[in-house]
Amino acid sequence: DTEVTQTPKHLVMGMTNKKSLKCEQHMGHRAMYWYKQKAKKPPELMFVYSYEKLSINESVPSRFSPECPNSSLLNLHLHALQPEDSALYLCASSPRGSSEQFFGPGTRLTVL
Amino acid sequence: AQSVSQHNHHVILSEAASLELGCNYSYGGTVNLFWYVQYPGQHLQLLLKYFSGDPLVKGIKGFEAEFIKSKFSFNLRKPSVQWSDTAEYFCAASGYSTLTFGKGTMLLVSP
Repeated sequence: DTEVTQTPKHLVMGMTNKKSLKCEQHMGHRAMYWYKQKAKKPPELMFVYSYEKLSINESVPSRFSPECPNSSLLNLHLHALQPEDSALYLCASSPRGSSEQFFGPGTRLTVL
Repeated sequence: AQSVSQHNHHVILSEAASLELGCNYSYGGTVNLFWYVQYPGQHLQLLLKYFSGDPLVKGIKGFEAEFIKSKFSFNLRKPSVQWSDTAEYFCAASGYSTLTFGKGTMLLVSP
């Protein structure tokens, strides 16, 4: 298995909802990432997990809460989001000792 | 601070024209370089990468890039573009773990 999968593909939520995004990889990669991408902009790094521990949080608001239950799975819990949080959320992973990142297809999130 | 700059935000070409997209980076130490492509409505795909060795790197779909250390550049080239190459192109650099992306270049190829 040489891909990163993300579910759901699309998500529409209200500002009071709680939802979660899921990312999975079975390539044995030990680093996993969450990015936010607005239209026609580059991806912006949100969080980095290394060996299942949060190693980087790019000053992301607390309404985004990451979780890494095991080495293959990465979640992003969403609560009380704002319309400006609407974006494509990308997950990526990289092998140990490499900076190459493998990206998933993303979840397109719309906050109403 | 690490940074990546892409020279052109928008490029318009006719089919069969040659393409060169500029990318310059500012990084301390060893740098790994990447070009990603994002077709309309789709996710990021890796076109090519440079870690070390031959500075001329060949990627998928006929793309290549040349690493010129003295110029801190990693320009993307394709001899003859097709309409299907219409996409956003991102140059990225990495030291060890995190990627720094350029702002992207939107390429529009007219048939």
